Amino acid sequence: GAGVSQSPRYKVAKRGQDVALRCDPISGHVSLFWYQQALGQGPEFLTYFQNEAQLDKSGLPSDRFFAERPEGSVSTLKIQRTQQEDSAVYLCASSGGQLNEQFFGPGTRLTVL
Amino acid sequence: SQQGEEDPQALSIQEGENATMNCSYKTSINNLQWYRQNSGRGLVHLILIRSNEREKHSGRLRVTLDTSKKSSSLLITASRAADTASYFCATDPPQGGKLIFGQGTELSVKP
Repeated sequence: GAGVSQSPRYKVAKRGQDVALRCDPISGHVSLFWYQQALGQGPEFLTYFQNEAQLDKSGLPSDRFFAERPEGSVSTLKIQRTQQEDSAVYLCASSGGQLNEQFFGPGTRLTVL
Repeated sequence: SQQGEEDPQALSIQEGENATMNCSYKTSINNLQWYRQNSGRGLVHLILIRSNEREKHSGRLRVTLDTSKKSSSLLITASRAADTASYFCATDPPQGGKLIFGQGTELSVKP
């Protein structure tokens, strides 16, 4: 595709529900990243894949957060038993070159009630 | 935890004026990238400057990098109302992978 796409664009969940957020990277991009952006803040790193391998998950805030990229293309970020503090915009980015120039999708705005 | 600090946090100017935003960071880097984010939208990649470069231009954008001071600046010349957005710097640490973002500068360009 022409750019990184994410779905859904908006998600409202009741506290305690599980959610799954999808990211379609730019075709051929090896690296895929997830970031969390709170209101009025810069994005913060969650996790990073190179092909299907999860190379860094140091930013995941708790074991309720899980990400996968089983075939090295589409990725899913899953949040179990959502809490109000999980409310944020979740951004996905992909990169295909040596310079690590990252291109972002439009994000998924998650609101936990 | 964010590495970068951006200055100013907010900037309001008239159309046609120049806008300068600054970014400071704490550790060594491979490169530094600048992004724009319109309200409620994703991040748009503006420019990447490598650690061995001092200045880079792209259209109305000029970026400088001073690795000795661990700082960068973004200059937007002849600003337009459409430039109204938040601007973020992001550093790429030597080990690669994640980008570390600053808090952003909110730019408002009044017509």
